[in-house]
Amino acid sequence: DGGITQSPKYLFRKEGQNVTLSCEQNLNHDAMYWYRQDPGQGLRLIYYSQIVNDFQKGDIAEGYSVSREKKESFPLTVTSAQKNPTAFYLCASTRAPRYHNEQFFGPGTRLTVL
Amino acid sequence: AQSVAQPEDQVNVAEGNPLTVKCTYSVSGNPYLFWYVQYPNRGLQFLLKYITGDNLVKGSYGFEAEFNKSQTSFHLKKPSALVSDSALYFCAGESNFGNEKLTFGTGTRLTIIP
Repeated sequence: DGGITQSPKYLFRKEGQNVTLSCEQNLNHDAMYWYRQDPGQGLRLIYYSQIVNDFQKGDIAEGYSVSREKKESFPLTVTSAQKNPTAFYLCASTRAPRYHNEQFFGPGTRLTVL
Repeated sequence: AQSVAQPEDQVNVAEGNPLTVKCTYSVSGNPYLFWYVQYPNRGLQFLLKYITGDNLVKGSYGFEAEFNKSQTSFHLKKPSALVSDSALYFCAGESNFGNEKLTFGTGTRLTIIP
């Protein structure tokens, strides 16, 4: 089965902790994305990567970091600098060219700050 | 800056009736437009897209959407609603220039009443 996996499904973080959300795809897609979903606000782009070892900030990158060491993997770290991290996080990928191709989404990780 | 608007937060439709979920866009150049569906605590699933050509686009699960350039709209439609269509629907768009990222609307919750 081809697709995108995200882990864990639920994640709890204490104040001041960094946490890393995993995203893996076996679709051989070049581009990968991280979105944050809050009620009533739709999806907001955090970071995206169009090729290995390269990534760009999205609209709300502050307090987050990413890496793209492998084509299949695009982990997101939520740092202690992110003041309000409680949200549903979605990873997506798309084949090249990035535009006009639909994005495939993972099942999401729900992060809660205790 | 480009934008996508979904003017209705909530749409209620009786089972068997036709449904419409509205979307309007503002993008430079020619738009690429998408509809996605999200079931509770899941990722988004692609329904259909408009790239070019026929203004009526057919997609998954019997959904279709009509691109209207003069009204800058891309409304999602289905002739006969099913209870299983109840979900959160997102419209998204980007420019054919490829210089801006995909922008999502804030979502419309569709409830089909038995």
